Amino acid sequence: DIQMTQSPSSLSASVGDRVTITCQASQDISNYLNWYQQIPGKAPKLLIYDASKLETGVPSRFSGSGSGTDFTFTISSLQPEDIAAYYCQQYDNLPRTFGPGTKVDIK
Amino acid sequence: QVQLVESGGGLVKPGGSLRLSCAASGFTFTDYYMSWIRQAPGKGLEWISCISSGSSQTTYADSVKGRFTISRDNTKNSLYLQMNTLRDEDTAVYYCARGYKNHRWWGQGTLVTVSS
Repeated sequence: DIQMTQSPSSLSASVGDRVTITCQASQDISNYLNWYQQIPGKAPKLLIYDASKLETGVPSRFSGSGSGTDFTFTISSLQPEDIAAYYCQQYDNLPRTFGPGTKVDIK
Repeated sequence: QVQLVESGGGLVKPGGSLRLSCAASGFTFTDYYMSWIRQAPGKGLEWISCISSGSSQTTYADSVKGRFTISRDNTKNSLYLQMNTLRDEDTAVYYCARGYKNHRWWGQGTLVTVSS
């Protein structure tokens, strides 16, 4: 199975800050990577697919990049409504696997 | 509007069984693979299983292989997860999700608690 790691596990930033989360796959997954946002008590929401494509309706302050084994997720200007956990997920191989998540809150 | 509604969760003793259901509407069910994903309390997301549109292909995470069975009834637009030999560590919110690559639609989840 492909193992996914994320860092940091949590972060605290101020409104307006640029926030970056990294995700690493244990083997080459090309660009078969999703990023999800999960607000506490809610189901996850797809933000980014194919590593860098913004899902319809998602604000442009969210972006993703990378390919192969190393990926980055960025919030260009953190907003209060972005308080959530963020997960990467590979879909190159079955079984699919998620990263352990990054909790983002406001400083 | 796409809707996925899970049901069937509850409290079950270790070693027991439970069957979860997911009722789908608002899209052509037979066009999509479907998946189950779970989340233990305070923990991250764990993908556990998916099934092809015609049920010919099923895949499981190692953590549930041999104990859980995914199935679907395309005449009822429904997805199922039969869970046997349940363990404490199966306690989680179970989500059904459309697709097996990009999960754009999720249900609200159903809580399964395994405890004596």
